[in-house]
Amino acid sequence: GAVVSQHPSWVICKSGTSVKIECRSLDFQATTMFWYRQFPKQSLMLMATSNEGSKATYEQGVEKDKFLINHASLTLSTLTVTSAHPEDSSFYICSARDEFGDLYGYTFGSGTRLTVV
Amino acid sequence: GNSVTQMEGPVTLSEEAFLTINCTYTATGYPSLFWYVQYPGEGLQLLLKATKADDKGSNKGFEATYRKETTSFHLEKGSVQVSDSAVYFCALSGAAGNKLTFGGGTRVLVKP
Repeated sequence: GAVVSQHPSWVICKSGTSVKIECRSLDFQATTMFWYRQFPKQSLMLMATSNEGSKATYEQGVEKDKFLINHASLTLSTLTVTSAHPEDSSFYICSARDEFGDLYGYTFGSGTRLTVV
Repeated sequence: GNSVTQMEGPVTLSEEAFLTINCTYTATGYPSLFWYVQYPGEGLQLLLKATKADDKGSNKGFEATYRKETTSFHLEKGSVQVSDSAVYFCALSGAAGNKLTFGGGTRVLVKP
């Protein structure tokens, strides 16, 4: 089946530094990537949607200059949290959709727990 | 816009009990419906899905039927195990390539 590899699984960083999270589709081409944020014991909040080779579309209230998304290839998308602050601490999850639409559906990465100290 | 409402948890059950998690939705057109499961510290795994009315999705003993007349997609399992303890999310997508809309999630705890 389809697999999305997300790294790192957890990261601790100091305030003011930037952190990059990677998601790779291992056996399919991810034409669309979704990035979510999840607070403890809450549902997933969609941050942005990106299509390969295009600029990401951000949801209302999400700072595009703070959460930089790159989807330069059909197998790799990255989320960079710039100048991270403690309030950015959260669980970030990516989800990829294949080029056939419903062949694999939405495949999720295993998530990245970010802690900013 | 689209929305998904599912019963709040936590739901605490004994092993071998019957599990039902209610899910209702609001959407235009004919959405696809999904149930995802999330184990602690992990991402989401697709549990089952249904793409049209009256379809039944099933996997690992879990079932859900797409009911357009009641706009529902309730999740059921006849006999739960401790390993079924997780958070379950109901979700819908409105069209191919469209984003998923999630319910709030239901935490299930199965005790031995």
